[in-house]
Amino acid sequence: ILNVEQSPQSLHVQEGDSTNFTCSFPSSNFYALHWYRWETAKSPEALFVMTLNGDEKKKGRISATLNTKEGYSYLYIKGSQPEDSATYLCAFKYTGGGNKLTFGTGTQLKVEL
Amino acid sequence: GAGVSQSPSNKVTEKGKDVELRCDPISGHTALYWYRQSLGQGLEFLIYFQGNSAPDKSGLPSDRFSAERTGGSVSTLTIQRTQQEDSAVYLCASSVSSGGVQTQYFGPGTRLTVL
Repeated sequence: ILNVEQSPQSLHVQEGDSTNFTCSFPSSNFYALHWYRWETAKSPEALFVMTLNGDEKKKGRISATLNTKEGYSYLYIKGSQPEDSATYLCAFKYTGGGNKLTFGTGTQLKVEL
Repeated sequence: GAGVSQSPSNKVTEKGKDVELRCDPISGHTALYWYRQSLGQGLEFLIYFQGNSAPDKSGLPSDRFSAERTGGSVSTLTIQRTQQEDSAVYLCASSVSSGGVQTQYFGPGTRLTVL
């Protein structure tokens, strides 16, 4: 059984704060790491797909880094806004695992005014 | 363009009844996936289709669960003799193909409640 862990489980920040959370995954048989944002009553939205060790992706105020050798990825949000409130999911794809994604349980972010 | 759609959005059923959940993938996407999220759990893989074939059914929790895909498009997930532990949000996703690194695009899900 693969363990994909995310921390913290939940986070409350004030508008304008910068924040980050962690996704830990097995360091062997790495293939890809996905980040999704899931707002209540909406579809999970793809943020990034990361494949290379040392990769860094950026989309507006959100960025992510990847360390496949030690098995972790960080997601950063700069200058949080209330519309960033959502659950952030990471999902791991490993070689030999076919096409399924193994998800963490998510980090629930609440940005308050 | 249109995203992945699922129906119904909510389904309440009584224990022991059968239910069917439908997924319409993005047009042209050949790969289709079913996941579910039970209360307090992460998204859990159920089954994946490439075209109309299901090369990986490893996540189906019991033989009460089955899925099919027709015409390389619409998929139906059927749960027979539902149990309370089947209560979850069932999500469908599709991707352009199944090879390499593909972004999976998700639908809004069907919330199933078994009383």
